[in-house]
Amino acid sequence: QQQVKQSPQSLIVQKGGISIINCAYENTAFDYFPWYQQFPGKGPALLIAIRPDVSEKKEGRFTISFNKSAKQFSLHIMDSQPGDSATYFCAAYHLTGGFKTIFGAGTRLFVKA
Amino acid sequence: GAGVSQSPSNKVTEKGKDVELRCDPISGHTALYWYRQSLGQGLEFLIYFQGNSAPDKSGLPSDRFSAERTGGSVSTLTIQRTQQEDSAVYLCASSLGQGKGYTFGSGTRLTVV
Repeated sequence: QQQVKQSPQSLIVQKGGISIINCAYENTAFDYFPWYQQFPGKGPALLIAIRPDVSEKKEGRFTISFNKSAKQFSLHIMDSQPGDSATYFCAAYHLTGGFKTIFGAGTRLFVKA
Repeated sequence: GAGVSQSPSNKVTEKGKDVELRCDPISGHTALYWYRQSLGQGLEFLIYFQGNSAPDKSGLPSDRFSAERTGGSVSTLTIQRTQQEDSAVYLCASSLGQGKGYTFGSGTRLTVV
């Protein structure tokens, strides 16, 4: 119930294309869903986050789509660029209990120039 | 400081030795987390500190692992009698508290030989 399942494990996208990473969760108590971006040799960095009272959040080329009934959420990277090549982690967090963030296994994205 | 600082950045140790990993969180951040990232894997929660509350140690994999946070600031993760399976990147993160994203350090890469 504490797991967050992320797919795909790896993704290759052409420059200018759309990168889509999907996540699913079981615990309905999760109420904060951040995405992190990690470059080699660095720690993950918060990219964008959403709460379950909205179905979509957009920041620049990055969009989170959230389906509360299906307990699924996804990250869309529009106009993908080689500089977006990194590992992306979805995560889930329980605001009122636990406080620790549960991370998905990560998706390694490679954007071909 | 401007970010979360971890030291050392790399540590090679012999099996059976004890190691200490240090984390300096962002000033004013009340929450501090330790995660472990094995090669190509996701982030495994280890321990969480929030203010003066008792830490959440539920993720520590064995009694060889311990952590403390002195004065609500600097934290030290100690691994006693290191084993080869302890080899990983140990990431520290801090946050302002509930509902806030984490800021990660760049991690300590531990190699047990």
